[in-house]
Parts: sequence; C-alpha cells; structure tokens
Amino acid sequence: GAVVSQHPSWVICKSGTSVKIECRSLDFQATTMFWYRQFPKQSLMLMATSNEGSKATYEQGVEKDKFLINHASLTLSTLTVTSAHPEDSSFYICSARERLAGVHYEQFFGPGTRLTVL
Amino acid sequence: GQQVMQIPQYQHVQEGEDFTTYCNSSTTLSNIQWYKQRPGGHPVFLIQLVKSGEVKKQKRLTFQFGEAKKNSSLHITATQTTDVGTYFCAARGSNYQLIWGAGTKLIIKP
Repeated sequence: GAVVSQHPSWVICKSGTSVKIECRSLDFQATTMFWYRQFPKQSLMLMATSNEGSKATYEQGVEKDKFLINHASLTLSTLTVTSAHPEDSSFYICSARERLAGVHYEQFFGPGTRLTVL
Repeated sequence: GQQVMQIPQYQHVQEGEDFTTYCNSSTTLSNIQWYKQRPGGHPVFLIQLVKSGEVKKQKRLTFQFGEAKKNSSLHITATQTTDVGTYFCAARGSNYQLIWGAGTKLIIKP
C-alpha cells in the first residue's frame, strides 16, 4: 500500500520557538492532505485540510496564524507550530488522500510526530 | 521497520452477518489501537488493547489481543448499516509513532 512519512518522529523544543513537521507521500501524489492532533486514547481531531497549491482550510477553533500549513507540492505538506507553548504539546498526524479512478479515494495515515514543548 | 499487516482489504457482508478484521505483526507490539472511519469522515478511536490475551467488548464489537501480542482482531456480530466504514488497527512503535494497518472496508450488500 501507499506510504506516508512524517519527520521528525519526536521533537522537544523550548517555549516560544517554532517547529516544522513534514508530511510526505512517498509513492503517490496526494491532492489533499489532512493534519490531525491527537491526545492519548482519543480520536484524531482534524485541524486543517490542505489542497496542493491552495490555502489550507482550518477547522473551527484552530488558529491559522499559529499552525501554518504549506502544501507546496503533491507529495509534501508541512505544518509549522509557531511560538510553541506547552499546551501545544501533542501528537500530530498527517494523512494523504490519493485520487483513484473516477471519484474513489484512498486515505493513508502518517506515523505521527510527538511534540513536547518545555 | 515494524509493520502491521491488516486483512482483508475489503469484506462484503449481508446485513446481519458477522464481520472480522485481523492485524498481524512479526514483532511484539506494546499496544494496539482500533479506529473506525466512516465514508467521508475521519478516524474515530474505538479502543486500545495493552495486555496479552486481552478481550474487550463494546456492544456488538469484540476486540482481542493475542497471547504473544503480535496479532489482534476486531469482530462485529450481526452487522448493521451503521457499521459501514473502514476499520484500522494501529500499533504504537518504540518511538511513539503509530504503525497503521492498511484498513479493512466493511461493505454491506444491498
């Protein structure tokens, strides 16, 4: 099956710094990528949806100036957590959607990035 | 690296029939999670299994974690149309990352 990678897998940073997380679709082109946040034993909370070449659509309550999303190519999307604070500590997961024949889609999930802000 | 194999990729059942999806790993898993994704929706966390041989039930859903902690299954009894969707297993790797199964799509035959 298709592979989605994320980098880094784990990051610890100081409060006030910015952190960039990369999400790549390794063997397919992803017209749409999703960014999620997950707290322990809870569902993935959708943060934003990004389509290649256009601005991301943020979910209600997600600050677009704090969580910058760039989807510059069909295989790469980045999430930058700006001026990170301890409350931003979480597990961030991306997923990529591949368009198949017709109107069918397959969605593949990345392994996640654990962010700890001190 | 660690991989989790999930089968089958699709399962077509008549409403009222049972459904099972399996996840297998060649290495011991610290825990395994199950998610359900409805068509057009996003994954919803169902459960986490941690203990060897653990069996947990949620109404018509039964989750099992193998004795060797290398396999897990989700069984749905008497499927209903509301059960339609893709069921994913995901194991937590050594570096906290999730290792996702490919998912099993449950399709109810009309």
